Amino acid sequence: GEDVEQSLFLSVREGDSSVINCTYTDSSSTYLYWYKQEPGAGLQLLTYIFSNMDMKQDQRLTVLLNKKDKHLSLRIADTQTGDSAIYFCAERPSGSARQLTFGSGTQLTVLP
Amino acid sequence: GAGVSQSPRYKVTKRGQDVALRCDPISGHVSLYWYRQALGQGPEFLTYFNYEAQQDKSGLPNDRFSAERPEGSISTLTIQRTEQRDSAMYRCASSPSSGGGEKLFFGSGTQLSVL
Repeated sequence: GEDVEQSLFLSVREGDSSVINCTYTDSSSTYLYWYKQEPGAGLQLLTYIFSNMDMKQDQRLTVLLNKKDKHLSLRIADTQTGDSAIYFCAERPSGSARQLTFGSGTQLTVLP
Repeated sequence: GAGVSQSPRYKVTKRGQDVALRCDPISGHVSLYWYRQALGQGPEFLTYFNYEAQQDKSGLPNDRFSAERPEGSISTLTIQRTEQRDSAMYRCASSPSSGGGEKLFFGSGTQLSVL
C-alpha cells in the first residue's frame, strides 16, 4: 500500500524559514496536502497542491512538488512561535479510493 | 455550527463495553469521514459516507466497528466489546463535495481510553 514518510522533528529560530519534507510512494496521487495539528485542536488544512503543479504559494507558505522523486515540501517563511505544531503530509491516490493517506507528522519547534 | 463537532471529547470505558462516538459535520457537507489516530502517528482511514450511503468501509479494523449516517448529516461510530488496543483519538472530517480534490475539515476528535 501507499506509504508517506516524514522526518519526526524540526527546530528553527524565530524569523528563519522552515522546510518540512515528505516523500510518498503512490505515483498516481492526484492531490497532496499539508495539515497542521496544534495541541487539543483538530487537523487544520493549510494548503494542497494538484499533481500537475510544481509549486504553489500562499502568503508565507510555499509548497514544492517533485513528482519524479515523489517528494513534497512545505516552506514556511519568517517562522513564528505560533507556527509550532505537528505538520502532516497527506496524499490522495487517483481512482475510486477517496481516503487520504497521512504521514506520521513532523513536530516543528520554533525557538525564540 | 461553524466547524465539525465531535462528542464526547474524552471517553473512558472498561474493556468489553460498547461505545458510540458522535460526529456533527459542517452543515451542508456531503461527505463525512472517520479516521483513527494513534499517539505519534498520522490519522488512518476507517470509513466514509456520501450523504447517508457508506461508500467505503475498508479501513474498519474488524466487525466490532461500525458506522452509520442515517439522515446524511450526523454520524455515529460504534465500537462493540471494546479492547485496550482500541484506545486512540478518533477523528471525524467532512467535505463539501463528493468529487476529487475536496478539502477535508476535521473536528477536534474523541480521545478514547479503554481500561
